[in-house]
Amino acid sequence: DGGITQSPKYLFRKEGQNVTLSCEQNLNHDAMYWYRQDPGQGLRLIYYSQIVNDFQKGDIAEGYSVSREKKESFPLTVTSAQKNPTAFYLCASSISWARTGELFFGEGSRLTVL
Amino acid sequence: KQEVTQIPAALSVPEGENLVLNCSFTDSAIYNLQWFRQDPGKGLTSLLLIQSSQREQTSGRLNASLDKSSGRSTLYIAASQPGDSATYLCAGKDNFNKFYFGSGTKLNVKP
Repeated sequence: DGGITQSPKYLFRKEGQNVTLSCEQNLNHDAMYWYRQDPGQGLRLIYYSQIVNDFQKGDIAEGYSVSREKKESFPLTVTSAQKNPTAFYLCASSISWARTGELFFGEGSRLTVL
Repeated sequence: KQEVTQIPAALSVPEGENLVLNCSFTDSAIYNLQWFRQDPGKGLTSLLLIQSSQREQTSGRLNASLDKSSGRSTLYIAASQPGDSATYLCAGKDNFNKFYFGSGTKLNVKP
């Protein structure tokens, strides 16, 4: 079955540690996205990538980093510079060349800083 | 920058009632409008996608409409069921392939 796989589902981090969230898709989509969701709030865009080896900052990129070495993979690193990293992180993908490309989501990763 | 607003933030209705969720956006230059459902602790599931050239889309008991000129979209749920309880989000896509989300409407359907 085609879809987006995020791992781990739950992650605990001590202050000062970097952690990496995995996102893999087998939908053959060009564009991939990382969003952050806080309780009772909408989704905020962290980073997005339209093509391999290229990515752009979203609205809240500070304290995060990404890479796009393969079409199917878009890992997100939450660095120690991120002041309040406890949140629910969602990865998504779509066809970038189609104006009407539908957005699909993974099941999310919940990060808690101890 | 595109701003997307969803009203109401929360809604509680008895089972069997028909209901309407609202989504408004500030920039009419969107390529599509997508409605999602999110269950607690889960990712978003796509419900309906309306292209900018379309007026509405239907799937089962769900009907979504789009009026670009007024900057509004509505999601109509017919004969609501307890299983419809979830948070519903709308998102508009711009010409740079970015999506803008509302904060969602949390729906509770009481048995």
